[in-house]
Amino acid sequence: SQQGEEDPQALSIQEGENATMNCSYKTSINNLQWYRQNSGRGLVHLILIRSNEREKHSGRLRVTLDTSKKSSSLLITASRAADTASYFCAKNSGGSNYKLTFGKGTLLTVNP
Amino acid sequence: DVKVTQSSRYLVKRTGEKVFLECVQDMDHENMFWYRQDPGLGLRLIYFSYDVKMKEKGDIPEGYSVSREKKERFSLILESASTNQTSMYLCASSQTRGNSPLHFGNGTRLTVT
Repeated sequence: SQQGEEDPQALSIQEGENATMNCSYKTSINNLQWYRQNSGRGLVHLILIRSNEREKHSGRLRVTLDTSKKSSSLLITASRAADTASYFCAKNSGGSNYKLTFGKGTLLTVNP
Repeated sequence: DVKVTQSSRYLVKRTGEKVFLECVQDMDHENMFWYRQDPGLGLRLIYFSYDVKMKEKGDIPEGYSVSREKKERFSLILESASTNQTSMYLCASSQTRGNSPLHFGNGTRLTVT
């Protein structure tokens, strides 16, 4: 079954605005990771948050994790047209340290 | 930077053909993965390997097999391609240590006619 379900499925904003994407999961995690995929390309790792962390930052990215609600959010501040991509969250399954289960992604469009 | 290279960007095969998708990584990663990506379904894990000659089934292994004879190379094999295997195939690699991110190739878009 799919874990790491993103919400919304699609998001369209103007350059300069902030974009927030959410991810929910069903079972306990070791960590949760966010990836970006430009059209027709492979995925690129953005940020990893461990189960004992609540917030992480990387440049214009901010990720939060609420293990009590089994949810995470990715915030992109001051968005740019180049941020247009699909964003996926991926849950580290409990059984194997190296196995990730991906959600269906959020398609973000940033209009210039 | 880690480089994961998939041998073909686009591939067109006929139903019933045996298809090989090749993936090579250059960072001595222990783990390698094959995912397929379909609209509305996201990424689904087909197989992964945590060492040479070792493999484990993912969520959708039916119709596929894999081979890992060398640490840097992980092959996905479609024994008898079918139209429902038309998809984007993504290879990835990672280190074994906990909390290691995946590094992806650019994908192979396979069309089975």
